[in-house]
Amino acid sequence: ETGVTQSPTHLIKTRGQQVTLRCSSQSGHNTVSWYQQALGQGPQFIFQYYREEENGRGNFPPRFSGLQFPNYSSELNVNALELDDSALYLCASSIPGQGSEYGYTFGSGTRLTVV
Amino acid sequence: KQEVTQIPAALSVPEGENLVLNCSFTDSAIYNLQWFRQDPGKGLTSLLLIQSSQREQTSGRLNASLDKSSGRSTLYIAASQPGDSATYLCAVRRGSTLGRLYFGRGTQLTVWP
Repeated sequence: ETGVTQSPTHLIKTRGQQVTLRCSSQSGHNTVSWYQQALGQGPQFIFQYYREEENGRGNFPPRFSGLQFPNYSSELNVNALELDDSALYLCASSIPGQGSEYGYTFGSGTRLTVV
Repeated sequence: KQEVTQIPAALSVPEGENLVLNCSFTDSAIYNLQWFRQDPGKGLTSLLLIQSSQREQTSGRLNASLDKSSGRSTLYIAASQPGDSATYLCAVRRGSTLGRLYFGRGTQLTVWP
């Protein structure tokens, strides 16, 4: 399987609820990052996982958490949803350079609406 | 902190024109720079990747240049087509192979027939 796949594609949740978003990284990619893109804005870095360990975090509160599994797929969990969490959530995978250079491959995103 | 700025924010042109989209960044300690295309409500499609040691990359009608010392990149689109209509995002990776991406807000391009 090639490419990054995300599920679900759309989701509507109520304020205060919890949500889990899923991402399957491109074959062979061991680094997964999550980004939040509000309407009209560029994507903002949430966190990154490398070989199942969190490897960097942006300016997001602890209610945003994640996991990476041995097959390099990943989950993003958001607790106590707020209206401002409404956004497109993007997953990206990559292979750290080892003498050769790689960019990030992004999935199609999950559109989360909090009402 | 890395800041990425894209100019113009929006561009509307007739089909056939050659276009230049601009991207600037404040910290020159980057690992690479990537240009993406985003269609409305969709994910990001990678167009071109330029390593910090490179000056430009080309793919079809697209050419991207990088001047790391001045913190600038340009995306040149030749002979624009209505199918090129989308938002174009510039992203820089911090100076490591595991570095995060910093994005600009994008340039929204409309090419009309």
